[in-house]
Amino acid sequence: EVQLVESGGGLVQPGGSLRLSCAASGFTFSNYEMYWVRQAPGKGLEWISYISRGSSTIYYADFARARFTTSRDDAKNSLFLQMSRLRAEDTAVYYCAREQEASDAFDLWGHGTMVTVSS
Amino acid sequence: IVMTQSPATLSVSPGERATVSCRASQSISSNVAWHQQKPGQAPRLLIYGASTRATGIPARFSGSGSGTEFTLTITSLQSEDFAVYFCQQYDQWPTFGGGTKVDI
Repeated sequence: EVQLVESGGGLVQPGGSLRLSCAASGFTFSNYEMYWVRQAPGKGLEWISYISRGSSTIYYADFARARFTTSRDDAKNSLFLQMSRLRAEDTAVYYCAREQEASDAFDLWGHGTMVTVSS
Repeated sequence: IVMTQSPATLSVSPGERATVSCRASQSISSNVAWHQQKPGQAPRLLIYGASTRATGIPARFSGSGSGTEFTLTITSLQSEDFAVYFCQQYDQWPTFGGGTKVDI
């Protein structure tokens, strides 16, 4: 089955760190560009980061550039998001998403993993 | 690019037509996708390129528009179509509409 499955979310204190994973299956992961996206409670979806095939290019949204790091391990069909110095406003459901080959639309999403930043 | 989606909620009956709109804050050509999300499920791509149905998407789903105005139409709503729908622009770094909940 073609799918993305996120993991690693949970409750973390302000200032803490968390590493999210996204496991890909059912397709050739290395052929695709990938994104992390999040949705805070009651808010809209927000792009976090982009990583190209082969990890040659990585971009971040302004809010993420100093605190978040995106990487991938094509041998393990996995995408990662390392988050540090977490704040209450980082509380959200975090999704990984695949960029379609035919366009730049997202054609495959994970179910998301919840991150709660609270003391 | 800000995507303004309307309405926030749409109440329709099975068999009726539903229309959801997205307006972009600047011209984005046809670089718009529409997604469906049901509770507890991953979002699913319905439409890309403003009007091209993704693989396996029924013909009752259609998209139109270009530039700044885009529409998703669902003709003859089925019970499985009651969900949240949102637009995505990919002309620049992706941004999303706020979502439309289609319910009974």
